[in-house]
This record gives sequence, C-alpha cells and structure tokens, in this order.
Amino acid sequence: DADVTQTPRNRITKTGKRIMLECSQTKGHDRMYWYRQDPGLGLRLIYYSFDVKDINKGEISDGYSVSRQAQAKFSLSLESAIPNQTALYFCATSDAGQGDEQFFGPGTRLTVL
Amino acid sequence: LAKTTQPISMDSYEGQEVNITCSHNNIATNDYITWYQQFPSQGPRFIIQGYKTKVTNEVASLFIPADRKSSTLSLPRVSLSDTAVYYCLVGDKRDSSASKIIFGSGTRLSIRP
Repeated sequence: DADVTQTPRNRITKTGKRIMLECSQTKGHDRMYWYRQDPGLGLRLIYYSFDVKDINKGEISDGYSVSRQAQAKFSLSLESAIPNQTALYFCATSDAGQGDEQFFGPGTRLTVL
Repeated sequence: LAKTTQPISMDSYEGQEVNITCSHNNIATNDYITWYQQFPSQGPRFIIQGYKTKVTNEVASLFIPADRKSSTLSLPRVSLSDTAVYYCLVGDKRDSSASKIIFGSGTRLSIRP
C-alpha cells in the first residue's frame, strides 16, 4: 500500500462549489504539506503543518484552508472554487523539516469549470 | 530565499551519462541540496541529497564543490525511463525554515533511443 494517499484522484467541479481534498499517510511523520502544480511549472507551497496543533500558510494560501485532523490526515479545502484553481495538487510528508526528504502522494487533478 | 537555477531542458541518448548542474549562489550554512525526479502526472520522487563533496546511491551521484554554490546531479547510463523533470532544491531540515524552499521549473530531461 502507498505511504501517502490522496482522495479523490480526479475531480471536476463548478465555480463557487466547496471542495475538500484529503491526504492520509502511514509513514508516521509529523510534518505534512500541500502543494499546487500548474502545467509546465514547479510546485508551490499552499499550507504546511508541523504537528496536529500547528498550521502555517505557504506561498499561495489565499482561497484555500486546511485541517489537520490527526497526525496521519491533512485536508485541503477550497471554500468557493474558481477556474484559476484548476491544477494538480500534491500532498507530501517529511520526517524533519521541509529540507528533509519529502514523500509525495499521487496527486489530485482538480478542474474548476 | 534559497533560489536555484538549472537548465530548462536537456537531451541525451540511452547509455550516456547525464550531468545536470544547479546553481545556488545564496545557499546558507545549514542548507542541504536535494534532487527530485518527477514523471508526468505523478508526485516528485526523492533521488539524492547531500551537504558537501560527493554522495552516491544506487540511482545517481551528487557532486558538490567546496564553496557549495553549485551542485551536479550525475545519472550514469541513462535509459528511456529516465525521461522526466528533475528539480534541484536547497533547504534546511529544521522546521523554522519551512516555506523557504522553492521548487523551480526544474530541468526537463529527454532521453532518446
């Protein structure tokens, strides 16, 4: 079984809808991250969490919110989706800080119409 | 911010050795250098990490000169399956440095028969 899983893998939604992307990990890591990737570009950090009680904004947090329900679960929400949030979203975990080896999930492809 | 510069794209042939160089002039004392590989529609995968001199694993070698302002990822005897985007990152493993790591656009490596 994969160490980092994401659900759903693909989602098509309409402008204004609320969407939640979920991430689960079995690596036992405290640190979890949400990234966004647009076609042909690198990954940009949306939010990160060092433990259950810690949530931090990344480079592009506007329009997004997160919830760390447990050590193993980190959810990303789009409260009111807009078309320019169409992208590939990745969850990642690490044992130490962000500069340590990160383990990525398979990604969620989100399309906002 | 620990910014890196790497070639946008490279081409090579099966069986050749490929060297991808990354420039990181403002690398900090506590920063490590990490390389990831990403296939289309998949999450990045850790390849190798180093701090100084040379690191080798079963997949690649990483050469870091004494001033640490650049690094070179070396892939020996590449195959078609090495076609991917390669990202060079520099960053601290301490939690206090999170969100300061940037995934640039990476180097798109194309291997031909």
